[in-house]
Amino acid sequence: EPEVTQTPSHQVTQMGQEVILRCVPISNHLYFYWYRQILGQKVEFLVSFYNNEISEKSEIFDDRFSVERPDGSNFTLKIRSTKLEDSAMYFCATSRDRGSYNEQFFGPGTRLTVL
Amino acid sequence: GEDVEQSLFLSVREGDSSVINCTYTDSSSTYLYWYKQEPGAGLQLLTYIFSNMDMKQDQRLTVLLNKKDKHLSLRIADTQTGDSAIYFCAESITGANNLFFGTGTRLTVIP
Repeated sequence: EPEVTQTPSHQVTQMGQEVILRCVPISNHLYFYWYRQILGQKVEFLVSFYNNEISEKSEIFDDRFSVERPDGSNFTLKIRSTKLEDSAMYFCATSRDRGSYNEQFFGPGTRLTVL
Repeated sequence: GEDVEQSLFLSVREGDSSVINCTYTDSSSTYLYWYKQEPGAGLQLLTYIFSNMDMKQDQRLTVLLNKKDKHLSLRIADTQTGDSAIYFCAESITGANNLFFGTGTRLTVIP
């Protein structure tokens, strides 16, 4: 069964550094999402991406965050000038469709630790 | 804003039924979902219910939706040790393509 993969599984970085989290979507999916979960809190939506541009983003997705699909396969989340409060599990999700019902397939997550 | 709440932990004995509860605030929910996360894995869609329905059954899983009270539950019959995982309640709402999640409920099944 096709699945979404994410790398790395765990990333440790110093505050102020830049990190790039990578996701490989399911091959025929066109809609891509990033979510995050701070320990003990809810899974929160960050951004959705379609046709090489951002469709929607939340308040969390500030100027330090960016997404791209550099080579047509990987979908990346870049965080510049990382802060302690960026420490969280980051989930990539992809879907074939959008609309009221769209089954989103999630990757296993990348745990980001900012020291 | 949209708010989805779940309790954090639930323990049950193997063979018993588990009931995981979720409340939400947005009345423009279109679909409500239950996702399961096993250790080291992504969130896997277990089941979903359209907001116009009040019940959906799928083998050992029963989803109940009380739209008036904005309460969703997932019942797992004959709970097995393999059901131990974190269960996330999520909703989609009119006009948004992202999902709104709760914190997840960690289900522990005691042999």
